[in-house]
Amino acid sequence: NAGVTQTPKFQVLKTGQSMTLQCAQDMNHEYMSWYRQDPGMGLRLIHYSVGAGITDQGEVPNGYNVSRSTTEDFPLRLLSAAPSQTSVYFCASSYAGTGSSGNTIYFGEGSWLTVV
Amino acid sequence: EDQVTQSPEALRLQEGESSSLNCSYTVSGLRGLFWYRQDPGKGPEFLFTLYSAGEEKEKERLKATLTKKESFLHITAPKPEDSATYLCAVRQGAQKLVFGQGTRLTINP
Repeated sequence: NAGVTQTPKFQVLKTGQSMTLQCAQDMNHEYMSWYRQDPGMGLRLIHYSVGAGITDQGEVPNGYNVSRSTTEDFPLRLLSAAPSQTSVYFCASSYAGTGSSGNTIYFGEGSWLTVV
Repeated sequence: EDQVTQSPEALRLQEGESSSLNCSYTVSGLRGLFWYRQDPGKGPEFLFTLYSAGEEKEKERLKATLTKKESFLHITAPKPEDSATYLCAVRQGAQKLVFGQGTRLTINP
């Protein structure tokens, strides 16, 4: 199992450019999500998905777009990059369900994005 | 609104010097409190999930406890390899975690 895999690891964009951060998981998890991590702000939820074809907004969705066409993949698109989107991005996944049976949320290794 | 506050922001200990990290939370209906470890340049690594007051979980030199308002991560006789940022989060819905800002722990040999 590779777990949660993110690409690219590092990226530099110019203001106004668009790009897609890729996220794939091989654990057959129903739930997937994207967070961004900024100094002094902690991790904040951007978008999440509870299954293929279903997505919803998190705390900081503006400027980002997502889709979930398969269980395995959950790409994050930056439509027109801005310097305020300079951050570290983490993808996460978990099984569905509730209770104390686990529901551990696993994170990828992160994608470092700089917008100049 | 769910909130998570971690203290201290940074903690420096000598090897073998035990201590505790605090995570205070305000949440309407706890669905799980998570502890993660994060090394520089890496993603958060899962440590524990706690669900109800009084619950405790242990892993090597780490022990997590939970009350109705806060959680503690106790570190017993830490080693330099325990140096990392420790993150606390509460679950808000199926895939939503609300994180604290973390405690940066440094263990000096």
